[in-house]
Amino acid sequence: DVKVTQSSRYLVKRTGEKVFLECVQDMDHENMFWYRQDPGLGLRLIYFSYDVKMKEKGDIPEGYSVSREKKERFSLILESASTNQTSMYLCASSPPMGETQYFGPGTRLLVL
Amino acid sequence: AQSVTQPDIHITVSEGASLELRCNYSYGATPYLFWYVQSPGQGLQLLLKYFSGDTLVQGIKGFEAEFKRSQSSFNLRKPSVHWSDAAEYFCAVGGDDYKLSFGAGTTVTVRA
Repeated sequence: DVKVTQSSRYLVKRTGEKVFLECVQDMDHENMFWYRQDPGLGLRLIYFSYDVKMKEKGDIPEGYSVSREKKERFSLILESASTNQTSMYLCASSPPMGETQYFGPGTRLLVL
Repeated sequence: AQSVTQPDIHITVSEGASLELRCNYSYGATPYLFWYVQSPGQGLQLLLKYFSGDTLVQGIKGFEAEFKRSQSSFNLRKPSVHWSDAAEYFCAVGGDDYKLSFGAGTTVTVRA
């Protein structure tokens, strides 16, 4: 079974803090994704990566950056957290194009 | 650009009754279509997917979905709902790139 893990289930941070969300997958997948999920909006793609050190912006990249130094690990960085970044963050991975994405359990982030 | 519409925000169904969740997509070529389920506080689990071939797709937990190209639809059905089917359901569309677009989700409540 594919396993995608996220470093925290719940996080509480202060406005202006730098926040790191970590995601690890164990299936040697090329592609990894970060989404945020908000009520009534579904999932919106923040960034994705199709190879080590490669990244592309998704639909809502503003205020976020990412890092992929190893194939199995994809990090989402909030450079200076703001209250409007309070959300559920979901990581996913997939084999090459068009294939199924497998999701982690999510990190619920509260920015005060 | 690809997009998904789930017209029903919330559906309530009695245990043992049938369930149908609607999904309409917009995509210029032959799409890849997915249904995911999310239980409270959890990540997304794949229910079923359509890539090609038979337009009636069987999934896990007794769900099925039918791809209708003429209607740009991929509706999800289950003949007899169980209390454990209470969750949020997401339809997603993808194509020959790495990305999926998700609908806003439909929340299903099951009453005894």
